[in-house]
Amino acid sequence: ETGVTQTPRHLVMGMTNKKSLKCEQHLGHNAMYWYKQSAKKPLELMFVYNFKEQTENNSVPSRFSPECPNSSHLFLHLHTLQPEDSALYLCASSQVLANYGYTFGSGTRLTVV
Amino acid sequence: AQSVTQLGSHVSVSEGALVLLRCNYSSSVPPYLFWYVQYPNQGLQLLLKYTSAATLVKGINGFEAEFKKSETSFHLTKPSAHMSDAAEYFCAVSVSQGAQKLVFGQGTRLTINP
Repeated sequence: ETGVTQTPRHLVMGMTNKKSLKCEQHLGHNAMYWYKQSAKKPLELMFVYNFKEQTENNSVPSRFSPECPNSSHLFLHLHTLQPEDSALYLCASSQVLANYGYTFGSGTRLTVV
Repeated sequence: AQSVTQLGSHVSVSEGALVLLRCNYSSSVPPYLFWYVQYPNQGLQLLLKYTSAATLVKGINGFEAEFKKSETSFHLTKPSAHMSDAAEYFCAVSVSQGAQKLVFGQGTRLTINP
């Protein structure tokens, strides 16, 4: 596979469930990102990882827990979510110098019921 | 702090007409600028990028953008719209605040009328 792959593509979960989103990149990049995209809202940067180390957390609620075991994999662990957390969650990767731009995955459409 | 502003959250043009999507940036240093396109329920795809080489940048699908420092603009154009161009378009600037990252505009939804 090439590019950035996100699984699952769609996820419906109850507010008491625990689930995880997965992102994998095959581009040799060393920075990875989670974004949240809600209807009629700008893209919200959630987390940034450089060389597996978290370098940014934009005041994201603790019910979202990221994990980056290596430069190719990024997870977003979800627990006790709220309906307002329903959104498209996008993963992206880049070289640490983001001047070359990001490569995005296709996203996970999350619905919290 | 670097930022981008996209003028117009929704643009509608007829098929075959000129497409013009506006983006203005704010940056105290020479910026790296990008345009991305997003189709429904998809991720963002890079259309083109300005990295301080030529000021007129050509991208995929017939799109191009011109960097104008005097106007702090990086507008996206396409001479003749096609129905398949209907999508959301995002302008972005690369910033170095803590981690280096892209900051995105709020997006412009392009509708093509037959």
